[in-house]
Amino acid sequence: GAGVSQSPSNKVTEKGKDVELRCDPISGHTALYWYRQRLGQGLEFLIYFQGNSAPDKSGLPSDRFSAERTGESVSTLTIQRTQQEDSAVYLCASSTSYEQYFGPGTRLTVT
Amino acid sequence: AQSVTQLDSHVSVSEGTPVLLRCNYSSSYSPSLFWYVQHPNKGLQLLLKYTSAATLVKGINGFEAEFKKSETSFHLTKPSAHMSDAAEYFCVVSDGGATNKLIFGTGTLLAVQP
Repeated sequence: GAGVSQSPSNKVTEKGKDVELRCDPISGHTALYWYRQRLGQGLEFLIYFQGNSAPDKSGLPSDRFSAERTGESVSTLTIQRTQQEDSAVYLCASSTSYEQYFGPGTRLTVT
Repeated sequence: AQSVTQLDSHVSVSEGTPVLLRCNYSSSYSPSLFWYVQHPNKGLQLLLKYTSAATLVKGINGFEAEFKKSETSFHLTKPSAHMSDAAEYFCVVSDGGATNKLIFGTGTLLAVQP
């Protein structure tokens, strides 16, 4: 079946612009996670959704970062006024149990 | 708090020789542990998982890992490396809370020489 999909696959933006990243989870998966992977590092947790509520936002690095989810479907991660340190691969994962299935990621480059 | 430490950032082996990727964990309770693999320009793939059942866990592509509570280790092994095993490997622990978020190690880059 279809896995987790993310769009765009690559995004280059100028410093100070806003960007929106999209995640389509596996159908029926109630849990959705966003992670960030900086160059040469492991993944850092950003935010967790159960359905359309976000009980854990503890990983969001600043108030420039926000995320929404429509029901148990699509999620968008928005970064306002992007900075160069926001350059990273942003990964989304969905889950029904302890196993998380990852999307291919969005590579964000802030110039 | 839960954490994992991957002891080697780079490992290089020859094709056909054994692979050992080391991971130590820190957890206040019996953890759920995972190994993920990331091939260049591809998504993360789950290799295997430990969730307090058998301490020797078998995964895909001939990999296995042994949970050793006394050593707080969860090392990944494979008897014979293949060229296609060249990738980055992440040791991961679940935070065990209501969110079940994953805490990743910094990764080990495995190179396989012909």
